[in-house]
Amino acid sequence: QLQLQESGPGLVKPSETLSLTCTVSGGSISSVPYYGGWIRQPPGRGLEWIGSIYYGGSTYYNPSLKSRVTISVDTSKNQFSLKLTSVTAADTAVYFCARGSGASGHLDYWGQGTLVTVSS
Amino acid sequence: QTVVTQEPSFSVSPGGTVTLTCGLSSGSVSTSYYPSWYQQTPGQAPRTLIYNTNTRSSGVPDRFSGSILGNKAALTITGAQADDESDYYCVVYLGSGFWVFGGGTKLTVL
Repeated sequence: QLQLQESGPGLVKPSETLSLTCTVSGGSISSVPYYGGWIRQPPGRGLEWIGSIYYGGSTYYNPSLKSRVTISVDTSKNQFSLKLTSVTAADTAVYFCARGSGASGHLDYWGQGTLVTVSS
Repeated sequence: QTVVTQEPSFSVSPGGTVTLTCGLSSGSVSTSYYPSWYQQTPGQAPRTLIYNTNTRSSGVPDRFSGSILGNKAALTITGAQADDESDYYCVVYLGSGFWVFGGGTKLTVL
């Protein structure tokens, strides 16, 4: 059974960079045709897709966040990571990582999510 | 930019049938968008209910079904139960690693 687990600081200061890592276990992150994706959910609000990465390194970002987002992959560690720069209080959210299927078009496995609060 | 639309809220009586819909701000949702549906309860990660328009995920009761109705994707719950009270999200896949989420529908069972 594939499992995903987010990790990283739970508190980030305004204007700094939010960094999270998703560790995949029970399967390879390099499986075709799967993507590693990041999704977030501000408190009391809906889900927002941030972006995704293919194991070969190709990335795809939500246009509304593109200027601040970088997603990378480390296949040797079976991990993919998110960096979001110049954060503000509006970036406070639960951040989920998930596996996306390019064949069936859905997000089939999700991490449990991690709350990141932006505050001084 | 692609915007996915959903009803903000809906209510259904226990044992009743409800259909939630998922549209696009411009254009139609078709099977080519591989619409999928997720159920989320507070504090939990989303759970996949339906993918590829009408395929139930493993372990999902058959009272949940997906379809295309007109120009929208639809999730129908037949014989609603109290624990179906959740938030439901529609997601469309634009291809090449791009996904778009709808705003979600808060379903009340009362």
